[in-house]
Amino acid sequence: DIQMTQSPSSLSASVGDRVTITCRASQSISTFLNWYQQKPGKAPKLLIFAASSLQIGVPLGFSGSGSGTDFTLSISSLQPEDSATYYCQQSYSAPYTFGQGTKVEIK
Amino acid sequence: QVQVVESGGGVVQPEMSLRLSCTASGFTFSSHSMHWVRQAPGKGLEWVALIWPDGTKKYYADSVKGRFTISRDNPNNTLYLQMNTLRAEDTAVYYCARDLGYSSGHSFDSWGQGTLVTVSS
Repeated sequence: DIQMTQSPSSLSASVGDRVTITCRASQSISTFLNWYQQKPGKAPKLLIFAASSLQIGVPLGFSGSGSGTDFTLSISSLQPEDSATYYCQQSYSAPYTFGQGTKVEIK
Repeated sequence: QVQVVESGGGVVQPEMSLRLSCTASGFTFSSHSMHWVRQAPGKGLEWVALIWPDGTKKYYADSVKGRFTISRDNPNNTLYLQMNTLRAEDTAVYYCARDLGYSSGHSFDSWGQGTLVTVSS
């Protein structure tokens, strides 16, 4: 099975800061890497698919990059509504494993 | 609009069984792979199972293999998860999710609100 490792597990940043979350796969997954945002008590929401494609309706401040084993999710200017937990997920092969999550808090 | 709605959760004793349902609407259900994903209280997301659009292929997480069965009824736009020999560690909110397909990296774009399964004596 492919293991997904996210870092950091949590972070605290100020409104307007640039935030970067990294995700590493235990083997190459090409660009089969997706990012989700989850707020407390809510279902996950797709942000980025295929490593760098922005899902319809997601603010342009979110971006993704990477291929192979190393990926990043960036928020260009952190907003209060971005406070959430973010998960990466590989969809290269079943089981479609998730990272452990990164909790983003606003200072 | 695209919608998936889970049902069937509840409190069940260890070793017992439960069947979850997920009713889809607003899209051609038979054209999409579907998944179950769960989240234990206070924990992260765990992928559980996948079924192809025609139901011919099924995949499971090691943690549920041999105990859970994913199935679908395409004419009635419904996805199922039959859960047998339940354990305390199966306690979680269970989500169904639509797979967008190869061109979208097999990402999950539509999720239900989830249904809570609690395994406890």
